Order: sequence, then C-alpha cells, then structure tokens
Amino acid sequence: DAGVIQSPRHEVTEMGQEVTLRCKPISGHNSLFWYRQTMMRGLELLIYFNNNVPIDDSGMPEDRFSAKMPNASFSTLKIQPSEPRDSAVYFCASTTIISGELFFGEGSRLTVL
Amino acid sequence: GQQVMQIPQYQHVQEGEDFTTYCNSSTTLSNIQWYKQRPGGHPVFLIQLVKSGEVKKQKRLTFQFGEAKKNSSLHITATQTTDVGTYFCAGEGGAQKLVFGQGTRLTINP
Repeated sequence: DAGVIQSPRHEVTEMGQEVTLRCKPISGHNSLFWYRQTMMRGLELLIYFNNNVPIDDSGMPEDRFSAKMPNASFSTLKIQPSEPRDSAVYFCASTTIISGELFFGEGSRLTVL
Repeated sequence: GQQVMQIPQYQHVQEGEDFTTYCNSSTTLSNIQWYKQRPGGHPVFLIQLVKSGEVKKQKRLTFQFGEAKKNSSLHITATQTTDVGTYFCAGEGGAQKLVFGQGTRLTINP
C-alpha cells in the first residue's frame, strides 16, 4: 500500500491567497483526520471524518478554514484567505474505526508570506 | 476540554543512558497511544495501551498505562542514536478524538 498521500508537500503563498491541501487516505480506512503542527502549539486536531462524514470540527481555527471529504478516497483542507499565522505543517492521517492506530501522511508544509 | 500534558519538553542524553517521558491527562482515557517523529518526518505509531495498569515492551522500550488511566510513560533503556526524535503520547477520551501531548524531543550525544 502507498500509505496516506498528501499534496502538495510544500507550498509558499502570499497572504490573502487561497490554499487547498489534499489527502488520499489508505484504501479501506474509514476515518480521516487533519492535524496542524507548529512549534508553539504542537499537534492540533483540526477535524476528523468517519465514513466521509465530519464528526468533530471544533479544532478548526476559524471560518477561513474548511474541510471536505466527498468520497472515501479523497479529502481537502482549504484556507481562504490565508494569513501568515497559518504557516505550519498540515498532516492528514487515516485509520479504521476499530483499529484507532493513526497512519500519517508525509505532511504539507505551508508558508504564508 | 481534554488536555494531555507531556514532560519533559526536551531531553539530551549520552548514548547508552536511559530516557523516560511522562504523559498526564486531565481526564480519564479510554486508551493511550505513543508515536515517534523523526526530525523532518511524520509521526509513526509505536503502541496502544488500553487496560488500567498495562505494561508493554518493545525491545528496549517499555510503555506503562497508569491504574487510573490518566497517565502513561515511555522508558527507553540504553539509548542508541537511532532513538533520536520526538516522542508523543496521544490520549483518546472517547469518540476516536486523539489529543496529542506536546512531545518530548530526545537528542543523543554519541
């Protein structure tokens, strides 16, 4: 299996621009998580889905952030408009509801200038 | 909300010395997981503890889950340079919501 695939691996953008991060979970996994990692705040859970349905989005910072999972093999995290404080590594992780063990992607490193 | 505190934040040891990181939750956990993240990498699952008082070993790594299911520890015996990285605990209070501790960054002097 290829593991969790995230794109882009790196993105540099200017403040105010829209950013879309993409994730393909491991085939057969029915839970998907988006985390954000910064030095100051560590690993923060933004949102997670079970069977493509958002279960808890209480970690989403504000209305500028949105996440979708239109099908079992694809999810997006969108930031619009982006701000410098959004600079971080964004990780997608997947698992099965029974297992609980998270498999992380390589992450998307976002820099907002 | 649920909080998971991890100490120490940093630990530097000589190769061959032991290392321990501690994790405490503000609430009782249904289970706790441990992950390792190498510099520049992504978190990788190490183990999951579910039962009160559970102890599990993986070669030189020993994991414990407290009797009250609110704390946990990871102990590495005789560290090696390959142990370098940040170790995270992650507590699940319920409904699959994993809350990560801040992590302990381990560096090793060869």
